[in-house]
Amino acid sequence: KAGVTQTPRYLIKTRGQQVTLSCSPISGHRSVSWYQQTPGQGLQFLFEYFSETQRNKGNFPGRFSGRQFSNSRSEMNVSTLELGDSALYLCASSLEAGRYQPQHFGDGTRLSIL
Amino acid sequence: DQQVKQNSPSLSVQEGRISILNCDYTNSMFDYFLWYKKYPAEGPTFLISISSIKDKNEDGRFTVFLNKSAKHLSLHIVPSQPGDSAVYFCAASANTGNQFYFGTGTSLTVIP
Repeated sequence: KAGVTQTPRYLIKTRGQQVTLSCSPISGHRSVSWYQQTPGQGLQFLFEYFSETQRNKGNFPGRFSGRQFSNSRSEMNVSTLELGDSALYLCASSLEAGRYQPQHFGDGTRLSIL
Repeated sequence: DQQVKQNSPSLSVQEGRISILNCDYTNSMFDYFLWYKKYPAEGPTFLISISSIKDKNEDGRFTVFLNKSAKHLSLHIVPSQPGDSAVYFCAASANTGNQFYFGTGTSLTVIP
């Protein structure tokens, strides 16, 4: 069974640009969550999608947005990139929404801002 | 403000000995806790969980202890193996929402 797939694995952008990251959940999983991992902050929750609807949102500025498609695939967009957005972005999927649902993480997209 | 803290960035243990990883939290509403393990260049993988109705949960070599009054949990690995070398994250959530708050991780090295 294929795991959570995140593309691209690595990305280099410059300040002011925008970027779109993609996440394909495990087949049959309907919930997708996004996290930002930085060395000093650990994993920070960005948002959660279930059945194409955003269920939960972390404390990030509006430059961070996401969406989920009818096939449960999800995209995350960051506009007007800042140096501080350099991080590993992780996507996790689960069968259903809810905190007791085990989350399966992808290997992440490493975003570097120059 | 970091609601979940892992104050030890790194830990080294001899193979066969016990590894104890610690995690503290500040939010008294947290009632469900998880531990994840992360290898380099891979995403975190779920290890073990504990609900606040329990003070201990065991799964093979891994045991998680919860001290609600101290707002502290710990992960014990016995015996430690070289393959356990990884970064360990604890995470907590409250029943008011589905969001998990993660610690900054502890890098465990098990020396053969």
